[in-house]
Amino acid sequence: DAGVIQSPRHEVTEMGQEVTLRCKPISGHNSLFWYRQTMMRGLELLIYFNNNVPIDDSGMPEDRFSAKMPNASFSTLKIQPSEPRDSAVYFCASSFTRNQPQHFGDGTRLSIL
Amino acid sequence: TQLLEQSPQFLSIQEGENLTVYCNSSSVFSSLQWYRQEPGEGPVLLVTVVTGGEVKKLKRLTFQFGDARKDSSLHITAAQPGDTGLYLCAGIDSNSGYALNFGKGTSLLVTP
Repeated sequence: DAGVIQSPRHEVTEMGQEVTLRCKPISGHNSLFWYRQTMMRGLELLIYFNNNVPIDDSGMPEDRFSAKMPNASFSTLKIQPSEPRDSAVYFCASSFTRNQPQHFGDGTRLSIL
Repeated sequence: TQLLEQSPQFLSIQEGENLTVYCNSSSVFSSLQWYRQEPGEGPVLLVTVVTGGEVKKLKRLTFQFGDARKDSSLHITAAQPGDTGLYLCAGIDSNSGYALNFGKGTSLLVTP
């Protein structure tokens, strides 16, 4: 079975540019989570969707970050404008329901120059 | 946010040795999970512990949840190079019931 699929795997761009990260959750999972991982802060939850609706975005660092889930099989995390401090690995995870184990994608390694 | 502290931060041992890594918090968690993450990949769930004092075994890995549900440990017996990776503990946030609060992890290197 296909797991959570993220794209791109790597992204290098200059500060000020718009960055869009993509995620395809596991089919049938109704909960989707976006995380950010850095050495300093570890893994942090950014936003949680349930049935395509954003439920908890308290972890989104600033208004430069936005996330959408237009349907059950696709979600995006957008940063506009990007800054060097946004450099991190961004993970998407999905679960059957919010209380079930989360399955992580392999992440997008983002570098903002 | 309920914080989780993991120790040690780094651990380098030789194949065949035993090791224990710790996950501590001042907060009570309804349950706690352990993940292993390899370079370039996402975390993979190893186990979930729910009951205070619970012990779970996964081959050479033994997981224990503290009686007060504030801490946990992972013990590996006769470590192998394939055990190399980042070990993360995550507590289920008591308020939300779903949000995972991750520790920063223990990076384990097992050399032949």
